Amino acid sequence: AQRVTQPEKLLSVFKGAPVELKCNYSYSGSPELFWYVQYSRQRLQLLLRHISRESIKGFTADLNKGETSFHLKKPFAQEEDSAMYYCALGGYNNAGNMLTFGGGTRLMVKP
Amino acid sequence: SAVISQKPSRDICQRGTSLTIQCQVDSQVTMMFWYRQQPGQSLTLIATANQGSEATYESGFVIDKFPISRPNLTFSTLTVSNLSPEDSSIYLCSVVTPSRSAEAFFGQGTRLTVV
Repeated sequence: AQRVTQPEKLLSVFKGAPVELKCNYSYSGSPELFWYVQYSRQRLQLLLRHISRESIKGFTADLNKGETSFHLKKPFAQEEDSAMYYCALGGYNNAGNMLTFGGGTRLMVKP
Repeated sequence: SAVISQKPSRDICQRGTSLTIQCQVDSQVTMMFWYRQQPGQSLTLIATANQGSEATYESGFVIDKFPISRPNLTFSTLTVSNLSPEDSSIYLCSVVTPSRSAEAFFGQGTRLTVV
């Protein structure tokens, strides 16, 4: 079974401080991992995916298969980064593709 | 990309009644997903709806409680039946782009309150 764990429900940092949102996964195959973000009063949207190895809004995430982790990092947090962040694992159920979401971490960036 | 229109955006319903949520996509997609997001909780997949076949339900969700229709490649409905206060939640429609590194797109959600 596939599972995603985000150990922190809330992460509070000051503006300019580094941020790391933790994500660990359990999956027997080759994982596809994503970070989704939900800003206040907006719909859930993709932030980044591991296969692209991209930096979006200053955020990066590296897949570590040895530690089964996909932590999201940003060196200098901004107030506009305050949002709910979900780590997600792509996989398959009987119907085909599916995403398994972690419990989410609320990031609060204080001025 | 895909733009999803989901309605209603919110509703307050009486116990024992039902609510049908509609999801319209601006492009044809094979798979549509319905999620529930209970207060303070993560997203839980209810079922996957493929056009032309019965929906596939995840453990803990049954068709009698959450009947789904998928009449074509751009539209789906989720009905939450025989409502109880425990059904108060946000319900989300989602689609996935047809590539292996699939990006999911979400509707704005339906906030259901059962009184």
